[in-house]
Amino acid sequence: AQSVTQPDIHITVSEGASLELRCNYSYGATPYLFWYVQSPGQGLQLLLKYFSGDTLVQGIKGFEAEFKRSQSSFNLRKPSVHWSDAAEYFCAKKDSSYKLIFGSGTRLLVRP
Amino acid sequence: NAGVTQTPKFQVLKTGQSMTLQCAQDMNHNSMYWYRQDPGMGLRLIYYSASEGTTDKGEVPNGYNVSRLNKREFSLRLESAAPSQTSVYFCASSEVRGGADEQFFGPGTRLTVL
Repeated sequence: AQSVTQPDIHITVSEGASLELRCNYSYGATPYLFWYVQSPGQGLQLLLKYFSGDTLVQGIKGFEAEFKRSQSSFNLRKPSVHWSDAAEYFCAKKDSSYKLIFGSGTRLLVRP
Repeated sequence: NAGVTQTPKFQVLKTGQSMTLQCAQDMNHNSMYWYRQDPGMGLRLIYYSASEGTTDKGEVPNGYNVSRLNKREFSLRLESAAPSQTSVYFCASSEVRGGADEQFFGPGTRLTVL
């Protein structure tokens, strides 16, 4: 079965520091990849998505992600974290029948 | 434009009780989905509806039923609630059931089964 792995359950960074959240996915011929953010008590909001073309994808709120086929990875990055970025982040992939498969999430804590 | 709305926001049930979670979207989307979110497990698909009049099982359908009432509304029913169904439930919708389409999520229903 196809899967998405987010190896970090929690990450803590200082405000203003850079951020990288890791995501690895199981093999898929044409991966459709997504990053969602969930603020406490809220639903999920799409940050960015990749389905073809440029492997560096820009999203909302200053986030970007890089698709690396050779590493089966789609890591999320932000050059300077703000306190409002504290949330849970989910990587997701469409499977062969176009259903979303989610990773288990990474909770981001931001130190003032 | 409210997007995806869900009712209720919170619910407490006793084991064996039944209830229906309601979901509606005003984006004229064809596809709708029900997920449950449990700590450390991300979101898992319960049922989905690719278009009005069709429904299909997802990863964890046992104990649930769904109804696609019309294009706007997709309800999730628990016939006999069990403590294992304590979870946060999210409804989502998308324009087409395809690769690059984005799913839009509702705010969730937090359900506790005692």
